[in-house]
Parts: sequence; structure tokens; C-alpha cells
Amino acid sequence: RKEVEQDPGPFNVPEGATVAFNCTYSNSASQSFFWYRQDCRKEPKLLMSVYSSGNEDGRFTAQLNRASQYISLLIRDSKLSDSATYLCVVSAYSGAGSYQLTFGKGTKLSVIP
Amino acid sequence: EAGVTQFPSHSVIEKGQTVTLRCDPISGHDNLYWYRRVMGKEIKFLLHFVKESKQDESGMPNNRFLAERTGGTYSTLKVQPAELEDSGVYFCASSRLDRASYEQYFGPGTRLTVT
Repeated sequence: RKEVEQDPGPFNVPEGATVAFNCTYSNSASQSFFWYRQDCRKEPKLLMSVYSSGNEDGRFTAQLNRASQYISLLIRDSKLSDSATYLCVVSAYSGAGSYQLTFGKGTKLSVIP
Repeated sequence: EAGVTQFPSHSVIEKGQTVTLRCDPISGHDNLYWYRRVMGKEIKFLLHFVKESKQDESGMPNNRFLAERTGGTYSTLKVQPAELEDSGVYFCASSRLDRASYEQYFGPGTRLTVT
């Protein structure tokens, strides 16, 4: 079982649509959770951290369910500029004095005019 | 504030050659990380420096990889000798010491092709 699993997509949605990404993680000791965005041939960039209480940033809403080890990202009113790969990332203490980020393979989103 | 920079952006070398990748973290970031993404796989952790010390190198694939961070500023990752399976994109990331568990800022990556 992969440590962080995501639906690879691609998700092809029209402008204005709402799209949801799901992610599950296997390490119950994971402490921090994130969604990163990666544009083609670019570096990953932090989109938002994810908290158990849920958090929202404009059109983006992230949720965390620790009991189910499940993370979600909802994008409302999709824009063309939202087209990218969305990476689900978890952080856990490695036991070697370090917090390691573990990445999912990413879900590719294409927003179509 | 300047971001994380990496050099070179691309490198094409033959199997058996040596390549050295460089990462300059954001100024003041004591944490420095190396990651790698090989074709079709997820980004994977390689190692973590705190200042000049290797804090965690559990992700390094084998002893052909050597990372250094002399003086606690920039870091180098040397692959010697390179093998075909080393091809991929090598990312460097940095973060502040007091925010070690999150908010890592990534560089643009070095795309390494071993032929």
C-alpha cells in the first residue's frame, strides 16, 4: 500500500465547475498535512495546510479526517489558471530527528474553457 | 526575498560520469532538504540538513550519492558514478528551523538525464 494515495486523474472540468480531490495516507503518526500545487515542469508550491477543523482560502477548501486518514481539497468556480497537478503531502517525524514530507503522485487537473 | 535556487537546471551525462548539483536555500533557512522524482513516481525524500549537519539521510538510495553542506549555507549533491536509474528531477527545499514540520519552499529542480 502506498503511503499517500491519490486518484491520478486527469480531471477535465469546464470553467466554473466545482472539483474535489481525495487523498488517503497510511501513517497514522502523520502530524501535518498539505496540498501542494505543481505546474508542468515547475517546482511544487504550497497551496494550503490542512487542519482537522477544515480550512478555507478563497475558492479552496481543505478537510482532514484523522480517524479515516483522509484528506480532501475542494475547488469551487474553477479557473483556467487552476490547471495543474495537485499533490497531497503529509509530514511525519522520521525518528531520525527530522520531519519528512511524503508525497502522493498527484492528481492532474485541466480546466477547459 | 529570493527563493531557493538550484544549479544546473538541466544536466545530461553518460552512465559512469559524475555530476554535482547545487542548491542555495532561502537566506536564514537552516533546514535544507533534497528530494527526487523519477519518471512516473512520486517525489521522494532523500535527506535533511540542519545547518551543516546531516539530520536524516534515510532516503539516500545508495553510497553513490554524497551530499554536503559546508558552512551551513548552500548544499551540493554529488552522484558518482551515475547510473541510468538516477535520471529524474532533483528538488531542493528549505525551511526555517522553528517551522521544521511544514512550509518547505522548493527550488525549481535540476533535471538529470543519464544516458
